[in-house]
Amino acid sequence: DGGITQSPKYLFRKEGQNVTLSCEQNLNHDAMYWYRQDPGQGLRLIYYSQIVNDFQKGDIAEGYSVSREKKESFPLTVTSAQKNPTAFYLCASSIRTGFGEQFFGPGTRLTVL
Amino acid sequence: KNEVEQSPQNLTAQEGEFITINCSYSVGISALHWLQQHPGGGIVSLFMLSSGKKKHGRLIATINIQEKHSSLHITASHPRDSAVYICAVRRWSGGSNYKLTFGKGTLLTVNP
Repeated sequence: DGGITQSPKYLFRKEGQNVTLSCEQNLNHDAMYWYRQDPGQGLRLIYYSQIVNDFQKGDIAEGYSVSREKKESFPLTVTSAQKNPTAFYLCASSIRTGFGEQFFGPGTRLTVL
Repeated sequence: KNEVEQSPQNLTAQEGEFITINCSYSVGISALHWLQQHPGGGIVSLFMLSSGKKKHGRLIATINIQEKHSSLHITASHPRDSAVYICAVRRWSGGSNYKLTFGKGTLLTVNP
């Protein structure tokens, strides 16, 4: 089945630790995205990638980093510089940016203790 | 003021009722998306539209580009329709880049 997988579903980390969230897609999509969701707010774009080895900052990139070494994979690292990292993180992909629907993964709920 | 506003924020209905969720936006867009988020958190795309009307089963989405407004209708609502419904607009953000701007969502609860 084609789709997007994110792991793990729940993640707990101590304050000050970096943590990497996984996102894999087998839809052969060029574009991938990371969003953050907080209670009472709309999804906000952290980073996106139009193609392998390319990525762009979104609206709230500070304290996050990404890589796009393979078409299928777009991991997100939440660094210790992110002031309020506890949130629900969603990965998405589309055929290319600005075209077609975005398909979303199941999300990872990160809690920093 | 948010660029994408949804109303109502919360909606409770009885099974079988006709439901309307509204989305207004204040920017130029190339498309509008309606998404559904279930309690577990996963998001499913329901519709993507840039004009007119689309229908899928009991769901109907309409958009009026001149008025910058879209509606999502659910006919013969069922408890399994209970979810958060999110409106998102796609807009050009420079170069070959586009991005989605999301509303805060409408929490729908359908009681049996």
